[in-house]
Amino acid sequence: GAGVSQSPSNKVTEKGKDVELRCDPISGHTALYWYRQRLGQGLEFLIYFQGNSAPDKSGLPSDRFSAERTGESVSTLTIQRTQQEDSAVYLCACFRRGFLGSEAFFGQGTRLTVV
Amino acid sequence: SQQGEEDPQALSIQEGENATMNCSYKTSINNLQWYRQNSGRGLVHLILIRSNEREKHSGRLRVTLDTSKKSSSLLITASRAADTASYFCATGPIQGAQKLVFGQGTRLTINP
Repeated sequence: GAGVSQSPSNKVTEKGKDVELRCDPISGHTALYWYRQRLGQGLEFLIYFQGNSAPDKSGLPSDRFSAERTGESVSTLTIQRTQQEDSAVYLCACFRRGFLGSEAFFGQGTRLTVV
Repeated sequence: SQQGEEDPQALSIQEGENATMNCSYKTSINNLQWYRQNSGRGLVHLILIRSNEREKHSGRLRVTLDTSKKSSSLLITASRAADTASYFCATGPIQGAQKLVFGQGTRLTINP
């Protein structure tokens, strides 16, 4: 596709439910990153993929969070047993090659609200 | 803590004036990038400056980088109402984890 696509755009869920967020990166962009942004805050790194391997998962807040990627394509971020503190915008970004020296292309994000 | 820290946190100026935002960081970097975010959604890349560059221009944007002070500035000249947005700096470290680390952003408001 022409850009990074994230779905759903908005998600309201009840506390304790599981949610799955999807990111479709630009074709051929090997590196894919997930960030979380709370209201009025900066971007918090969660995890990144190089191809379908995840060399750095250090930003995942707890074991309720997990992510996977199929080849160099779609990635899903799963949050189990959601809590109100998980409410945020979840942003996906991809890079043409390794991130060094190249710009990030962002999706429009998924706004997650846990009630 | 965040690698990049923007200053000021918020800036409000009149249309036509110049806006300057600053970013400080802590570790050695490969490059520094500036992004813009409208309405709390996706970020758009504005400009990338490499560690061996001191200044870069793109249209009404001017970015400087001082690696000795570990700081960068973004200047927007002749501001327009449409420049109202949040601006973030992001650094790509030389060593350690391969991730782009963002600051907290500067919220810029251009008053017509």
